Amino acid sequence: VLTQSPDTLPLSPGERATLSCRASQSVSANYLAWYQQKPGQGPRLLIYGATSRATGIPDRFSGSGSGADFTLTISGLEPDDFAVYYCQQYGSSPLTFGGGTKVEI
Amino acid sequence: EVQLVESGGGLVQPGGSLRLSCEASGFFFRNFAMHWVRQAPGKGLEYVAGISSNAGNTYYVDSVRDRFTISRDNSNNTLYLQMGSLRAEDMAVYYCARSGWLRGHFDYWGQGAQVTVSS
Repeated sequence: VLTQSPDTLPLSPGERATLSCRASQSVSANYLAWYQQKPGQGPRLLIYGATSRATGIPDRFSGSGSGADFTLTISGLEPDDFAVYYCQQYGSSPLTFGGGTKVEI
Repeated sequence: EVQLVESGGGLVQPGGSLRLSCEASGFFFRNFAMHWVRQAPGKGLEYVAGISSNAGNTYYVDSVRDRFTISRDNSNNTLYLQMGSLRAEDMAVYYCARSGWLRGHFDYWGQGAQVTVSS
């Protein structure tokens, strides 16, 4: 089970966002991904392998952590970053997602 | 440009069946594992099923095993999800997604297909 916190994160443009994802057991090989989803759209991959940015993702997005405790940091929020963020573990079956964190203005 | 386009969604009665399709373009479809992920209204993402690049391996979440079947046609670059014995709790937007291997991160997603289960 992946638990994301907080459920909602009210912030302003330019501020730093820190999102947490905790697993009920260690994630195998740190196979942890982060996705961004906006209303009416499919999710977009941001981070994989806990720390690697996906192609085309700005460097204000960074992932950290290992074992069962992971963090997504967005340094300097831009208006386009206000969305829902999900973590996913793909180290063991079933692949599972966290409940999401909504970053809102 | 990688594109995944879902189709086949719609309204179905409880107990009914529906087949979703996901047409892929912009990449060598046969080289990638594919998946279905769903999102109930106002809820988070739930993994449904996955299939390896050559269709030799499949995986289902417990709640759909024995009711849903994932398949693919590598000659036509299309992924399928045959859904049967549909329940109210299956109502969701269904997304197809691509990964490098069956247990991998999903680097591209479609826009989704709405499935409504109601009498």
